[in-house]
Amino acid sequence: DARVTQTPRHKVTEMGQEVTMRCQPILGHNTVFWYRQTMMQGLELLAYFRNRAPLDDSGMPKDRFSAEMPDATLATLKIQPSEPRDSAVYFCASGLGTGVNEQFFGPGTRLTVL
Amino acid sequence: GQQVMQIPQYQHVQEGEDFTTYCNSSTTLSNIQWYKQRPGGHPVFLIQLVKSGEVKKQKRLTFQFGEAKKNSSLHITATQTTDVGTYFCAGRSGGSNYKLTFGKGTLLTVNP
Repeated sequence: DARVTQTPRHKVTEMGQEVTMRCQPILGHNTVFWYRQTMMQGLELLAYFRNRAPLDDSGMPKDRFSAEMPDATLATLKIQPSEPRDSAVYFCASGLGTGVNEQFFGPGTRLTVL
Repeated sequence: GQQVMQIPQYQHVQEGEDFTTYCNSSTTLSNIQWYKQRPGGHPVFLIQLVKSGEVKKQKRLTFQFGEAKKNSSLHITATQTTDVGTYFCAGRSGGSNYKLTFGKGTLLTVNP
């Protein structure tokens, strides 16, 4: 049963600290998405990749957020320095990039910045 | 940029009652997808609609895509407690085969 995995599942950190979230997309999927979910803003697209190349990161605060895909099995989202307003659930999703092209979401990382 | 509005934000029903959530896009969509997120869980794909006026059914769920491909609805007949969760529509415009713009979702709660 192929699934997107994310680590860590929960992270509590202090303001100013660096946070790195990791995602393993489903094997064979060539598109990867990072979302942030909050009560107020809902699901916001931060960035996405196709074949490991960034296609759009316009939803991401550039000064503190960065997203990369070092290889096809790993996507990372980094926040440096973190701020309390970054507290949210961060979801990674992957997709085939063809056909129905639905997105398969990981379980999310719940981030709390104190 | 593209916006997808979804109403209502919340809906509480008695078990057995029907439920409908509506989705409207600021631009014409190439297709629309629906996802369900259980409390504490992650969004899970339900269905995709592509054609103008398309109607699809999954058991008690009926999905419609408007003629102008700018709106959509999800109707649940005779709700059950297992239907509890947030239902999201997500639209894809012609400019991108990959990017989805999500509505803010409708949280459905069902009183047994």
